[in-house]
Parts: sequence; C-alpha cells; structure tokens
Amino acid sequence: EPEVTQTPSHQVTQMGQEVILRCVPISNHLYFYWYRQILGQKVEFLVSFYNNEISEKSEIFDDQFSVERPDGSNFTLKIRSTKLEDSAMYFCAGRASGNTIYFGEGSWLTVV
Amino acid sequence: AQSVTQLGSHVSVSEGALVLLRCNYSSSVPPYLFWYVQYPNQGLQLLLKYTSAATLVKGINGFEAEFKKSETSFHLTKPSAHMSDAAEYFCAVSARSNDYKLSFGAGTTVTVRA
Repeated sequence: EPEVTQTPSHQVTQMGQEVILRCVPISNHLYFYWYRQILGQKVEFLVSFYNNEISEKSEIFDDQFSVERPDGSNFTLKIRSTKLEDSAMYFCAGRASGNTIYFGEGSWLTVV
Repeated sequence: AQSVTQLGSHVSVSEGALVLLRCNYSSSVPPYLFWYVQYPNQGLQLLLKYTSAATLVKGINGFEAEFKKSETSFHLTKPSAHMSDAAEYFCAVSARSNDYKLSFGAGTTVTVRA
C-alpha cells in the first residue's frame, strides 16, 4: 500500500540552525500539508500546498517557515532559524482529489 | 470554524471489554469526521471516516463509529479490546468549504489491562 514517507525520522539541532524536513507523498496526491504535534498537545495545522503554492497557512507558520516542492516529488518544510519551541513531531500529509488526508510517520525535531 | 472535543484524555479498559471513546464536534457546515490512531513512536493512521453516507461507519481493527447529528457526536467503539489497541486516538473534523483541512481533538490515550 502506498505511503507518505518522511525523513529524517528524528533530528536534533541547535537553536538558530536551519532545518529541512522532507516528505515523499503518495504519487497521485495533489494537496500537501504539514502538521505538527508538540509533546502532549494537539496535532496542529501548519500549512497546505496545492499547485505549487501555499493555499492556506496557520498563524504558527510565520516567516521562519517555508515549504516547497522543487522537483515534483519531494515536499519540504524548512525552518530557517530554529527555536526551542519548534521542538515537535512534524507530520507531512497528502490528499488526492477526495476528502481523506493520509499522514506520514512523522519527523521528531528536537531543538537544544 | 470547526472543532472537536474529545472527552477523557485517558481511558483504561480490561482486555475483552468495550472500548468507548467520545468525540463531539462543532461545525457550521456539513462535517467530515475522522478517527486516527497513533501507536507509540508511529505516525497517524486512519481508522475510519464519516463522509455523509452511512451514519454507522466501520473501520479497521474492529472499530466503528456512529455519526449522530442530533447529538453532534462521533463516538468510537470496539466491542472487545485487545492489548494491541493500546495507542492514542484522535478525532478530527474537516469540511469541503475549508479544503478538507483537519482540526484535531486533544487525543485520548487508551491503555489495555491484561
């Protein structure tokens, strides 16, 4: 069964460093998302992406965050200058033309 | 705007007992409702979904949920718990009008006692 795959599964980074989280969505997916889950909290929407542009972003998704799909397959989330409060599990997700979003395994980001 | 509330952050059941996880939603438009499960150190896996067809929805691993519009609820049940059901369960809501963006509940952690 096709899966959304994410790399790395876990990354530890120093505060102020740039981080790129990568995702390979399912091939027929058209809509792409990043969500995050801070330990012990809700899963929160960050951004949605369609047709090579951001379609919606939350207030969490400030200028420190960016997304792109440079080669038509990988979908990346970049955090330019990480803060301690960026420590979380980041989930990539995708959707075809239907109503169901499928999630990857997640990338644990620890900022120290 | 849409939201869900999951009642009970932690549920403990005996193996073989009924599992009941409660979810109430708020939505100004017809909702799509989902239950996702997260096993330890894993991602979010879709258990089942309600998308305006049958109100009783069957999912994987013996789980089912019933959409009750009058009660704005979408509770998840399983008649007989297995040890492998220990996980965190998330209720989520979306709508066509907001491009199916999911809003999650806080999650319910299920532990199963032998």
